[in-house]
Amino acid sequence: DQQVKQNSPSLSVQEGRISILNCDYTNSMFDYFLWYKKYPAEGPTFLISISSIKDKNEDGRFTVFLNKSAKHLSLHIVPSQPGDSAVYFCAASAFAGGTSYGKLTFGQGTILTVHP
Amino acid sequence: DTAVSQTPKYLVTQMGNDKSIKCEQNLGHDTMYWYKQDSKKFLKIMFSYNNKELIINETVPNRFSPKSPDKAHLNLHINSLELGDSAVYFCASSPTTGYLYNEQFFGPGTRLTVL
Repeated sequence: DQQVKQNSPSLSVQEGRISILNCDYTNSMFDYFLWYKKYPAEGPTFLISISSIKDKNEDGRFTVFLNKSAKHLSLHIVPSQPGDSAVYFCAASAFAGGTSYGKLTFGQGTILTVHP
Repeated sequence: DTAVSQTPKYLVTQMGNDKSIKCEQNLGHDTMYWYKQDSKKFLKIMFSYNNKELIINETVPNRFSPKSPDKAHLNLHINSLELGDSAVYFCASSPTTGYLYNEQFFGPGTRLTVL
């Protein structure tokens, strides 16, 4: 039973436009959410995170939105750049004050392609 | 000056063999992890060590045995390799302060192919 799902395997966007990547989760104990970015032949790198006490977190061109009632989060990239082309993984943690010991549950990733 | 390194990067071996993957981090983190990315691309946690102590042990066959000689190293030994063990294995590390637990640094991965 996959508790974190990214239902879009791929997304293609024109340079300069907005990229929106979506993620759904089922476990109501999750209270911390992250996005990781992965280039081919490299490990995932942390991009941005959000705690369940917030509904939005912004870092430069990247904004993550959290809708707890819908158990849905999204990553917005504005404006999109060709260098953003990568696989994006959504991840969730039942942080609970640190007792999760860093156990992350990942989605299966969405391949983002940004065309020049 | 690589933060999290893994060796080897590629590993091709026959079914039934025993193999090890090594991981080292130079970030001074207290916690290290092993993840498996299967053919469906899901990244799933296998183990986590904090200061050489096992703290996460997911449902993994006991053919997989992690070893942490010190907090900068976490190795993965796999006995009696099976076809289904073919995957990419990622090592990661993180601090253990608050939410930083979750902001993990990953190695480049080891692609294991069992023939």
